[in-house]
Amino acid sequence: GAVVSQHPSWVICKSGTSVKIECRSLDFQATTMFWYRQFPKQSLMLMATSNEGSKATYEQGVEKDKFLINHASLTLSTLTVTSAHPEDSSFYICSANPQGAKETQYFGPGTRLLVL
Amino acid sequence: GDSVTQMEGPVTLSEEAFLTINCTYTATGYPSLFWYVQYPGEGLQLLLKATKADDKGSNKGFEATYRKETTSFHLEKGSVQVSDSAVYFCALSVNTDKLIFGTGTRLQVFP
Repeated sequence: GAVVSQHPSWVICKSGTSVKIECRSLDFQATTMFWYRQFPKQSLMLMATSNEGSKATYEQGVEKDKFLINHASLTLSTLTVTSAHPEDSSFYICSANPQGAKETQYFGPGTRLLVL
Repeated sequence: GDSVTQMEGPVTLSEEAFLTINCTYTATGYPSLFWYVQYPGEGLQLLLKATKADDKGSNKGFEATYRKETTSFHLEKGSVQVSDSAVYFCALSVNTDKLIFGTGTRLQVFP
């Protein structure tokens, strides 16, 4: 149990296009989902926290107009990288916090984005 | 601000060797401490955690003790296996569900 999926697992796009990444909790409902970004040989950096039905809370330095987050249901959150540029190339990871389970996060396998 | 520092890898060991991966932290409050493991091609999985000083987290033969005096949470295993090859992340959270991660340490175990 407690599986989180991400789609797509990797994507290559042209500069200036937008890319949507989905994060789904497959067998539980997630009150909160988190989006991270990971650069090579660096730690996971929290980008934003999304709660179902409300606006996401972005970490300092993360552009909310560039990284659009929608958490429309208790099992789905999406991250859209708008007008992507090569510097947005990275590994994006989501995690989901089950309802009532404090300090518990289940992680997706990640999505690798390459912007040409 | 709150942060986690862990040893750089890769750590390369032979099967049945003793493993230590160092992790130290800086936190303004009283953090909970975690070790996550990421196997190739998979998402991060919680390996063990400790929520207060002197607690020992353990799972699958791995152990880590919350040392407040040295602000450390070192990961240990007495006898590693090839299947333990993965990237290990130390992390903390302080009064929230937000996690702050270290940079990760890759462990490679050879037969």
